[in-house]
Amino acid sequence: DAGVIQSPRHEVTEMGQEVTLRCKPISGHNSLFWYRQTMMRGLELLIYFNNNVPIDDSGMPEDRFSAKMPNASFSTLKIQPSEPRDSAVYFCASTQSTYEQYFGPGTRLTVT
Amino acid sequence: AQSVTQLGSHVSVSEGALVLLRCNYSSSVPPYLFWYVQYPNQGLQLLLKYTSAATLVKGINGFEAEFKKSETSFHLTKPSAHMSDAAEYFCAVSDTNGAQKLVFGQGTRLTINP
Repeated sequence: DAGVIQSPRHEVTEMGQEVTLRCKPISGHNSLFWYRQTMMRGLELLIYFNNNVPIDDSGMPEDRFSAKMPNASFSTLKIQPSEPRDSAVYFCASTQSTYEQYFGPGTRLTVT
Repeated sequence: AQSVTQLGSHVSVSEGALVLLRCNYSSSVPPYLFWYVQYPNQGLQLLLKYTSAATLVKGINGFEAEFKKSETSFHLTKPSAHMSDAAEYFCAVSDTNGAQKLVFGQGTRLTINP
């Protein structure tokens, strides 16, 4: 199994630009989670999906952030417009109804 | 609401010494508990999990953890530290609001001294 796949692994962009992060969960997993990790705030859950439906987006910082899961094998997290304070590592994780989450390698986002 | 407290944001031990990373949780129902490890520039990797079976759980790389309900603790131990154990460790508890969420602690950075 290839595990959770995230792309890109690194993204550097200028303030105001749109950023799209991508995630492919493990095949057969029915829940997908987006996290953000920073030194100051640690690991934060942004949003999670169950069977492609957003269940809890209370962690999404503001309207600049949006996430979609058009099918069971793909999800995106979009930031528009991006700001320097969005700089962080963004992780995607998936699970198959067992609480045990499998994490991707992360996308390191730098907004200048 | 469930919560996790990891005592000590940074722990330093000598190579070959005992590793003890502390985790206390709060949960209104019997929880599922997890320890994850994060090596530099990598995602989180599951070390071990407690799912209401044996209270002493063995994981990968020689780590184990003991669930103590009376102390609401789930401390992680390893008898003899290795240089390769240097990483950040996260304790997590299952959310109980009918969802599959995990609530993570703030993490403990483990440093191994030669």
